[in-house]
Amino acid sequence: SQTIHQWPATLVQPVGSPLSLECTVEGTSNPNLYWYRQAAGRGLQLLFYSVGIGQISSEVPQNLSASRPQDRQFILSSKKLLLSDSGFYLCAWGGTYGYTFGSGTRLTVV
Amino acid sequence: SQQGEEDPQALSIQEGENATMNCSYKTSINNLQWYRQNSGRGLVHLILIRSNEREKHSGRLRVTLDTSKKSSSLLITASRAADTASYFCATDPYYGNNRLAFGKGNQVVVIP
Repeated sequence: SQTIHQWPATLVQPVGSPLSLECTVEGTSNPNLYWYRQAAGRGLQLLFYSVGIGQISSEVPQNLSASRPQDRQFILSSKKLLLSDSGFYLCAWGGTYGYTFGSGTRLTVV
Repeated sequence: SQQGEEDPQALSIQEGENATMNCSYKTSINNLQWYRQNSGRGLVHLILIRSNEREKHSGRLRVTLDTSKKSSSLLITASRAADTASYFCATDPYYGNNRLAFGKGNQVVVIP
């Protein structure tokens, strides 16, 4: 069966520090992968999506970047975090018949 | 842009009551889906209804779709405390980019 792993679950980082969040999928090949951010009590904001290795589309210009070094690995990064980067980050895979989400990473930038 | 817009945004009910929430969208769709998100967790896919379907059931969930009004409703019957969560609708736009468009979510609190 397909599973998605996202880590870490929580992260507290100082302003200006780098960030790396990782997401991996098992049990499927060539998945569409997505990174979302969710502010407290708010909806989902699509940050990046990828349809294949090295193929990244950005939805919102920001302080973040994404990479897909392997078929089932999706990484969200930042060189220097801002306070506004705080939020709940969700990785997902899937298509138009449904997405499977990871358990999320709560990022607090202090 | 986000298509789904759930209404109302917050609902508080007693255990055993039914919970109904609505979602409206702006353009033609291939399908509409509902997701549940427990606090601090990822979203979980609940049910999908295709554009040529009008109603669908899954356990205590009942989804309706009115494509003429571009709206959907999710009914949870005989609610339980464990149903406390946020519920999101998502649409697959007919002329879209093969990505789902998520709404802003409804928070449902079921009081034991």
